[in-house]
Amino acid sequence: QVQLQESGPGLVKPSQTLSLTCTVSGGSISIGGYHWSWIRQHPGKGLEWIGSIYYSGSTYYNPSLKSRVIISVDTSKNQFSLMMNSVTAADTAVYYCARDPYIMRASDMWGQGTMVTVSS
Amino acid sequence: EIVLTQSPATLSLSPGERATLSCRASQSVSSYLAWYQQKPGQAPRLLIYDASNRATGIPARFSGSGSGTDFTLTISSLEPEDFAVYYCQQCSDWPLLTFGGGTKVEIK
Repeated sequence: QVQLQESGPGLVKPSQTLSLTCTVSGGSISIGGYHWSWIRQHPGKGLEWIGSIYYSGSTYYNPSLKSRVIISVDTSKNQFSLMMNSVTAADTAVYYCARDPYIMRASDMWGQGTMVTVSS
Repeated sequence: EIVLTQSPATLSLSPGERATLSCRASQSVSSYLAWYQQKPGQAPRLLIYDASNRATGIPARFSGSGSGTDFTLTISSLEPEDFAVYYCQQCSDWPLLTFGGGTKVEIK
């Protein structure tokens, strides 16, 4: 059973860089047929897709966040990561990582989510 | 960018009743639409993909239909554990994805 787990600081100062890692267990991130995504949810609000990556390193980003986001993959550690720069209070949210199988074109496995607060 | 509009925002029903949730896309997404359920404090759970295919382990009372721009998620008979928020997601531009604003199904 594949499991995903987000990790990273829960508090980030304004203008700094938010960095999160998703560790995949129970399966290899290098198996073809999946994209690996980051999705966030502002408090009390809906879901926002941030971007995704293939194990080869190909990336896809939400156009509204593209200028501030980098998603990377480390196949040796079975992890993928999110970096978002120049954060503001508007980036305060729960951040989820997820697995997207090609055959579903949807996110079938999710991490539990991690709350990130942007505040001085 | 494809915009998804979900209606109603809130649906008040009793256990055993039928729930019908709507998702409308600003342009055709073919059948590339997914539905998720989210309960408080939990990650979303995939219910339906490709408009009508149930994900693994999803009960048969959940069904999806539609194509093009209009989609429906139907819960045939609400169980107590079905009261939650439901989101649709377009996958036509996959891997670029967008979500609808959500429908809350609450106990009447």
